[in-house]
Amino acid sequence: AQKITQTQPGMFVQEKEAVTLDCTYDTSDQSYGLFWYKQPSSGEMIFLIYQGSYDEQNATEGRYSLNFQKARKSANLVISASQLGDSAMYFCAMREGGGDMRFGAGTRLTVKP
Amino acid sequence: EPEVTQTPSHQVTQMGQEVILRCVPISNHLYFYWYRQILGQKVEFLVSFYNNEISEKSEIFDDQFSVERPDGSNFTLKIRSTKLEDSAMYFCASSRDGYEQYFGPGTRLTVT
Repeated sequence: AQKITQTQPGMFVQEKEAVTLDCTYDTSDQSYGLFWYKQPSSGEMIFLIYQGSYDEQNATEGRYSLNFQKARKSANLVISASQLGDSAMYFCAMREGGGDMRFGAGTRLTVKP
Repeated sequence: EPEVTQTPSHQVTQMGQEVILRCVPISNHLYFYWYRQILGQKVEFLVSFYNNEISEKSEIFDDQFSVERPDGSNFTLKIRSTKLEDSAMYFCASSRDGYEQYFGPGTRLTVT
């Protein structure tokens, strides 16, 4: 069964607008971490943001925020004020307890000028 | 800002040959990982390494694969007898506390 589901294979957003990338997860663990990574066309994986399952506040890092809804098991990434350089693949990932990290299939974001 | 480095950036090898992919994690990090990404697909976990031993490995990480930390700075992934389906981008990652993982730029392995 899929642990991490990203239902949007591709998304478009106008420059300077906000965009939400969806991520839902499946776990029975109480302790887990949720991550978002950006992969530009150059291929590297860039860590963006982390949310722990016990964190009460939604994580924020600059223009990135994570909309964590624990009961719904969702961890959507919100990018505010999109820039052309935000065009990339975005991967949601989860790490359960001390286990390995599992990635979703990714969402390709294209920012239009 | 410290970063994870990987060498080579691109490795071409013939089927059946052995390859060693090298990584230098961030210096004060204690947890090390290898992932692979077949072209156009999602990132897949291979193995995690802590305290000089494997802590987790996936079903992909079979006897063909091995990892080593030969000295205080390098972390290597060896693939014995490569197969065509081993062609992928291989990412090394490191973490200070086992939570946030920082990825290297990857090594693209092409098996011909």
